[in-house]
Amino acid sequence: NAGVIQTPRHKVTGKGQEATLWCEPISGHSAVFWYRQTIVQGLEFLTYFRNQAPIDDSGMPKERFSAQMPNQSHSTLKIQSTQPQDSAVYLCASTWGGAEQYFGPGTRLTVL
Amino acid sequence: GDSVTQTEGLVTLTEGLPVMLNCTYQSTYSPFLFWYVQHLNEAPKLLLKSFTDNKRPEHQGFHATLHKSSSSFHLQKSSAQLSDSALYYCALTPTGNTGKLIFGLGTTLQVQP
Repeated sequence: NAGVIQTPRHKVTGKGQEATLWCEPISGHSAVFWYRQTIVQGLEFLTYFRNQAPIDDSGMPKERFSAQMPNQSHSTLKIQSTQPQDSAVYLCASTWGGAEQYFGPGTRLTVL
Repeated sequence: GDSVTQTEGLVTLTEGLPVMLNCTYQSTYSPFLFWYVQHLNEAPKLLLKSFTDNKRPEHQGFHATLHKSSSSFHLQKSSAQLSDSALYYCALTPTGNTGKLIFGLGTTLQVQP
């Protein structure tokens, strides 16, 4: 069991560029969550999917952030026109439907 | 709305002393509460969860008791170890046990020799 896989582990973009982050959930898990982690705000919920369907995107900044789950083996988080305040660690988690969410190692996004 | 409050940003103590990390919450319904631990450069991992079987959850010497009257779920351990040094998050899920997690800001525990 490789756990939740996130790629890339580190990404540096220039202000205004696009960033796409990838998440591969644990095989057999039905729900995928995205969170953002910063020192100031801690861990913030962004969005989640269950059985590939979007369930709750209440934490997503509406204008530049989008997420998709085209199949059960991966999800993407896309940030358009990145801004310095988007710099954070983006964490993906998956669960089979129980309470425990298994987190990936995260993607550290740095916007210059 | 739902929220979690962890009042201590940093707790420093000496190995062997007891640990208590505070967590209080606000929720419209009766949420499930969790403690996650994140060691340096690692992913957060579930440490404890409150569930309805009336048993006090325990793991790796840590335990926590859900007190609905005071809306608290404090994390405790009788004797701190150096390896307990990590970032601890208290979290709740407001909609049963399968939804999003709402986290507190986290408490960094530093255990010194």
